[in-house]
Amino acid sequence: GEDVEQSLFLSVREGDSSVINCTYTDSSSTYLYWYKQEPGAGLQLLTYIFSNMDMKQDQRLTVLLNKKDKHLSLRIADTQTGDSAIYFCAESLTGKLIFGQGTTLQVKP
Amino acid sequence: ETGVTQTPRHLVMGMTNKKSLKCEQHLGHNAMYWYKQSAKKPLELMFVYNFKEQTENNSVPSRFSPECPNSSHLFLHLHTLQPEDSALYLCASSQAFPLAGPPNEQFFGPGTRLTVL
Repeated sequence: GEDVEQSLFLSVREGDSSVINCTYTDSSSTYLYWYKQEPGAGLQLLTYIFSNMDMKQDQRLTVLLNKKDKHLSLRIADTQTGDSAIYFCAESLTGKLIFGQGTTLQVKP
Repeated sequence: ETGVTQTPRHLVMGMTNKKSLKCEQHLGHNAMYWYKQSAKKPLELMFVYNFKEQTENNSVPSRFSPECPNSSHLFLHLHTLQPEDSALYLCASSQAFPLAGPPNEQFFGPGTRLTVL
């Protein structure tokens, strides 16, 4: 089936690390994505990982992929108030993107 | 600015009205998409157009009618909607469909916030 699941809400203090988790169902997904949606805006691609990798680092962002457990996570180091947004996990399946319901990240000063 | 614009940004309509949402992309892409975003639910893909041809219709009720006159423009015509259709409607575009992975990514517009009374 096509199901991507995320927790709905995460609250952290400025300067802490944030970890947003996601589980997906289809092991044939070639790429897995993280999108960010700021208030009043559409989704913007943040980062992605190819399914044969288990980690990808991009500045403050670290993506971890556990293919056996079909678990994807996004770690944001030194979280800033500007990181407050909704974060969507997505898997690619038959050429389409299947999104989760999004995790709202709240960063407290 | 992602290169994808949507108008109007906000729309309030009654159940008997007819209205249209417009999307335009300035990226030279060939595929365009309509998504529905409701609170606390996954983003739902509604329609996909590839080179102006509709390639996906995910069991969307006929009160939503898409139109793609060229690769740069996409419309969603609305009529006799229900209150449960209130949501954020997002348009996206990509180089082609099906997606073959980066850099063939989707670019999203800011959305139209629709309220059906």
